[in-house]
Amino acid sequence: NAGVMQNPRHLVRRRGQEARLRCSPMKGHSHVYWYRQLPEEGLKFMVYLQKENIIDESGMPKERFSAEFPKEGPSILRIQQVVRGDSAAYFCASSPNKPNTGELFFGEGSRLTVL
Amino acid sequence: KNQVEQSPQSLIILEGKNCTLQCNYTVSPFSNLRWYKQDTGRGPVSLTIMTFSENTKSNGRYTATLDADTKQSSLHITASQLSDSASYICVVSAATGTASKLTFGTGTRLQVTL
Repeated sequence: NAGVMQNPRHLVRRRGQEARLRCSPMKGHSHVYWYRQLPEEGLKFMVYLQKENIIDESGMPKERFSAEFPKEGPSILRIQQVVRGDSAAYFCASSPNKPNTGELFFGEGSRLTVL
Repeated sequence: KNQVEQSPQSLIILEGKNCTLQCNYTVSPFSNLRWYKQDTGRGPVSLTIMTFSENTKSNGRYTATLDADTKQSSLHITASQLSDSASYICVVSAATGTASKLTFGTGTRLQVTL
């Protein structure tokens, strides 16, 4: 049973380009979460999705960022017109149940570098 | 405002020694508290989950304690090994709401040396 799979592991973009980060949750998990981690800082919640629905996006910047979790395929975090401040590690986690009742399983992260 | 504070921020110990990491929180209403280990460049991995009624929980050489009255938790590592070098993150969950109610500490960075 594979864990949470994220790709790409490393992504380099120039300012103004688009970044797409993908996350395949663990088998049987229908809850997906995205977190951002800046160097030397803690994980910051971005968005919580449950198949085809955005449940909580209170941590998402209002512009340029979007997320989806389609019925088929991985969850995607999309960042349009990237800026240097978007450089960070983006972690995806999944769970079989609601987040405050059990364990979150994290992927290895996608490291975005904006030149 | 829900907050989780961890101390120390960083710690260096010799291999074989014990250490204790602290976590203080103000999350309310409390649901559970988790400790994660995050190796450099990797994703966090769960060590323990503690609910309101649990005072102590062990996972191998890791022992977590919880005092719900003082809103404090500790993670004790016994007979440290080089592979224990990592960041240890305390995460507290509120009893209501969604994923945004998981409050993460900034972690304690532990380095175990020879």
